[in-house]
Amino acid sequence: TQLLEQSPQFLSIQEGENLTVYCNSSSVFSSLQWYRQEPGEGPVLLVTVVTGGEVKKLKRLTFQFGDARKDSSLHITAAQPGDTGLYLCAGPGNTPLVFGKGTRLSVIA
Amino acid sequence: GAGVSQTPSNKVTEKGKYVELRCDPISGHTALYWYRQSLGQGPEFLIYFQGTGAADDSGLPNDRFFAVRPEGSVSTLKIQRTERGDSAVYLCASSLTLLAGMNTEAFFGQGTRLTVV
Repeated sequence: TQLLEQSPQFLSIQEGENLTVYCNSSSVFSSLQWYRQEPGEGPVLLVTVVTGGEVKKLKRLTFQFGDARKDSSLHITAAQPGDTGLYLCAGPGNTPLVFGKGTRLSVIA
Repeated sequence: GAGVSQTPSNKVTEKGKYVELRCDPISGHTALYWYRQSLGQGPEFLIYFQGTGAADDSGLPNDRFFAVRPEGSVSTLKIQRTERGDSAVYLCASSLTLLAGMNTEAFFGQGTRLTVV
């Protein structure tokens, strides 16, 4: 069974601070995706990383896929209240998409 | 519509009753997925369809749960003899082709919040 462990589970920070959240597995993934989910909504895809060591940037968000393709990180620079939400990592596994439990981020103005 | 639509958005039912949850995927998407999300958890896979057939139903928790997609578009998740533990948000997603991780994106609906009292 391929499991994705996300940390931290909760994170509360002040506007303007930087943060990093992590997604780890003991299994190799062919790719990993990051989603953001806001209350009352479904997850929305942010990025897909495919190549070991790959770094992708989406405005203030930087995503990295580990060299061994077992882990990924999401770094947010100068967090804003609009970044508040549940950040989920997911990857293909025994089922079409296996999700981690997510990191719930709260950015306080 | 432009996105995945789920109805109802909220459903409160009594323990033991039967419920149906509906999902309208994005037009032309052949793959459709059902997930369940409990409070504080990530989405948990239930079943997915490729066209009309259930390609993998290994995530359905027991035989009280059943899903259909008779014409390869709209899908209905059916729960018999509901229990309080069935309370969760039920998410539906669709994708143009089967998720293969590389360049395939799953589009999620807003979910149906089911509460069994």
